[in-house]
Amino acid sequence: GNSVTQMEGPVTLSEEAFLTINCTYTATGYPSLFWYVQYPGEGLQLLLKATKADDKGSNKGFEATYRKETTSFHLEKGSVQVSDSAVYFCALSLSGGYNKLIFGAGTRLAVHP
Amino acid sequence: DAGVTQSPTHLIKTRGQQVTLRCSPKSGHDTVSWYQQALGQGPQFIFQYYEEEERQRGNFPDRFSGHQFPNYSSELNVNALLLGDSALYLCASSTGLAGLLNEQFFGPGTRLTVL
Repeated sequence: GNSVTQMEGPVTLSEEAFLTINCTYTATGYPSLFWYVQYPGEGLQLLLKATKADDKGSNKGFEATYRKETTSFHLEKGSVQVSDSAVYFCALSLSGGYNKLIFGAGTRLAVHP
Repeated sequence: DAGVTQSPTHLIKTRGQQVTLRCSPKSGHDTVSWYQQALGQGPQFIFQYYEEEERQRGNFPDRFSGHQFPNYSSELNVNALLLGDSALYLCASSTGLAGLLNEQFFGPGTRLTVL
């Protein structure tokens, strides 16, 4: 079946550290891939997306590259801030469908000053 | 421009009761999807409504039902509540064009607690 696997959290970093959150997927066909972020008490916000192999999504200093050969979409940021503390979800959507999202379990990030 | 709104914010029910959650989509959106997010888990797709009909459904029992109104707002109904139904229920809206990558915008959710 179609699924998304994320690295378990929490991930605890000091401000200005480098961030990587791993995400791998299993899917039939050619999915689009997403990273969503959930701040405390808020709904999900789309952080970035990639629709085909080798595409790089980027936003607010975060980046992720769609790697078809390793079925991965790892999230990276060169220098995290305290305000980046949140839960991050990797997700996929299958092509030709109605944009139903399949999410990973989420990774909590805590950034300390 | 208001985003996706949901009501109520929090709700406490007892086992066996019924509950109705409400969602108003973002302006210009005609499609509403519902997700269940259990504590510590990622959201799970419940179903999607378009043109007042259920267009797609996830792996949820018939106790979960919904409705979409002509103004595109939507309700999620859960009958015969179980303890395991305790979760954050998220509504997402988008445009309904099938086959295209239409970004989904999420509301803040309704936190349901079943005692």
